[in-house]
Amino acid sequence: KAGVTQTPRYLIKTRGQQVTLSCSPISGHRSVSWYQQTPGQGLQFLFEYFSETQRNKGNFPGRFSGRQFSNSRSEMNVSTLELGDSALYLCASSPDGPGGYGYTFGSGTRLTVV
Amino acid sequence: KNEVEQSPQNLTAQEGEFITINCSYSVGISALHWLQQHPGGGIVSLFMLSSGKKKHGRLIATINIQEKHSSLHITASHPRDSAVYICAVSSGNQFYFGTGTSLTVIP
Repeated sequence: KAGVTQTPRYLIKTRGQQVTLSCSPISGHRSVSWYQQTPGQGLQFLFEYFSETQRNKGNFPGRFSGRQFSNSRSEMNVSTLELGDSALYLCASSPDGPGGYGYTFGSGTRLTVV
Repeated sequence: KNEVEQSPQNLTAQEGEFITINCSYSVGISALHWLQQHPGGGIVSLFMLSSGKKKHGRLIATINIQEKHSSLHITASHPRDSAVYICAVSSGNQFYFGTGTSLTVIP
């Protein structure tokens, strides 16, 4: 079966712009969670969506937002980009919630802010 | 304060050696995960544990809930095991990650 698909794989944006990243979960998975990975901070939890509702949110500013559609696909948006937002953004899907049985990561979107 | 601590940060081993990576956590958890990340970013979930021990091929993961500690063992290590190994815990609907252990296995 198809894995978790993230698009685009690479993205270069200018400071102050906004960006939207997409994540298509494994078919049947209702939970999609988003993570930021940087060399300095490692992996950090952004938020999790389940059945179109945000169930939990990590400690990130309001510039980071997301949504989930009825087909479980999710998007993450970052507004007013800062240089420090340069990172690998990963999403993961599972049937029930972060880390649940079947928890599977996508390959990530590498965002560079210049 | 980090909810999840891993050791060592870096590890170099000769092919064939037995390897242990440790993880300690400070929060109540519903499950602990071991993840493997190869260069290029792809992350694979190796194990999800809530108690005891699990084995998959040359990989063994154990958890001691009372001591809030888990270990990942690799037997007969191979250069293809070279990767970053990350411990993560599920706590409520939050997810906390360790900083990872970078393993290099030399032929």
